[in-house]
Amino acid sequence: NAGVMQNPRHLVRRRGQEARLRCSPMKGHSHVYWYRQLPEEGLKFMVYLQKENIIDESGMPKERFSAEFPKEGPSILRIQQVVRGDSAAYFCASSRGRDNYGYTFGSGTRLTVV
Amino acid sequence: KQEVTQIPAALSVPEGENLVLNCSFTDSAIYNLQWFRQDPGKGLTSLLLIQSSQREQTSGRLNASLDKSSGRSTLYIAASQPGDSATYLCATQGGSEKLVFGKGTKLTVNP
Repeated sequence: NAGVMQNPRHLVRRRGQEARLRCSPMKGHSHVYWYRQLPEEGLKFMVYLQKENIIDESGMPKERFSAEFPKEGPSILRIQQVVRGDSAAYFCASSRGRDNYGYTFGSGTRLTVV
Repeated sequence: KQEVTQIPAALSVPEGENLVLNCSFTDSAIYNLQWFRQDPGKGLTSLLLIQSSQREQTSGRLNASLDKSSGRSTLYIAASQPGDSATYLCATQGGSEKLVFGKGTKLTVNP
């Protein structure tokens, strides 16, 4: 059981480019969550997805950010036209859902916008 | 809106000391509370999960308690070791399934 796999671990983008972050949940987990950790800040919820459905995107910025969890393949967090303020660690977590089994987090993708 | 506060923000102790980390939350309507450990530049490792119906959970030298009515949880670490140095995060899960995190307590255990 490889756990929650995120890639890349580190990503450097120039302002205006697109960033694509990938997350493969743990085997048996059908719920995926994305969190962002800004420097010196706590982790903030961004979006909650199940296969092919966005359940809660209340934490997503209104523009430039999107997420998907297709029927096949990993969940993708996409940031278009990145700006310096997007530099952060982006963490993905997965769970079996509201069974109170808790979350398992990936190691994160550290995005640096230069 | 749930708010989670962790005190202190940083703590430095000598090796071998027992210590308590505090977490408070404003909305007692939670499903569970989870304690995580985060090492610098790394992801989060789940330490203990306390269901809303439980009062405490134990794992090795760690013991976490939950008092929903007062909106508090504590993480007790016995006989601390340098390897325990990390940032400890508390998070609540409510009806919406998303976790609400505190900003963490950065623990340094000095040999």
